[in-house]
Amino acid sequence: NAGVTQTPKFQVLKTGQSMTLQCAQDMNHEYMSWYRQDPGMGLRLIHYSVGAGITDQGEVPNGYNVSRSTTEDFPLRLLSAAPSQTSVYFCASSYGAVLNTEAFFGQGTRLTVV
Amino acid sequence: KNQVEQTPQSLIILEGKNCTLQCNYTVSPFSNLRWYKQDTGRGPVSLTIMTFSENTKSNGRYTATLDADTKQSSLHITASQLSDSASYICVVKTRSGGNEKLTFGTGTRLTIIP
Repeated sequence: NAGVTQTPKFQVLKTGQSMTLQCAQDMNHEYMSWYRQDPGMGLRLIHYSVGAGITDQGEVPNGYNVSRSTTEDFPLRLLSAAPSQTSVYFCASSYGAVLNTEAFFGQGTRLTVV
Repeated sequence: KNQVEQTPQSLIILEGKNCTLQCNYTVSPFSNLRWYKQDTGRGPVSLTIMTFSENTKSNGRYTATLDADTKQSSLHITASQLSDSASYICVVKTRSGGNEKLTFGTGTRLTIIP
């Protein structure tokens, strides 16, 4: 089972460049989300989606865009990379907004903005 | 201040020994509490999910407890193994109206030494 697949695993960007982090899940999960993980802080929600065609902002959405054209894919776009966006990014999915559903995480993308 | 506090920040124990990790939370309203294990360079993997009515839940050598009155949870690891070396993250889910939110602790980094 592939689960949640993120690509790339590592990326270095120059300030001002744009890029898309890919996330795909093969579990037919409705709910997908993006988090960033920074040293000394808990994971913080960037954007989430409760189903195809529906997205919403999380705790730290500035500088990021998302779209959800299919159930399987939930790409995260950095519009103009900044050093403050250096972080590890995790995509997660779960069956739905049900009380005790487990969230499955991808292996992460380590992004460095120089 | 993070609304999910974990102690200790880091812990080193000998292989075969037991240990207990603590999680105190202030977020409300409480929906459930999860413990995740995150190996270095990997995404978090769920260990347990506990609801308001559950006091204890085990998953192999891992036993989680929850006291919803005092808003405290613990994760006890029995007979530790080298593979238990990881960060352990406490996550509290809140649900208000139609909105859900996961609040992550900063984690306890556990190192098992032979």
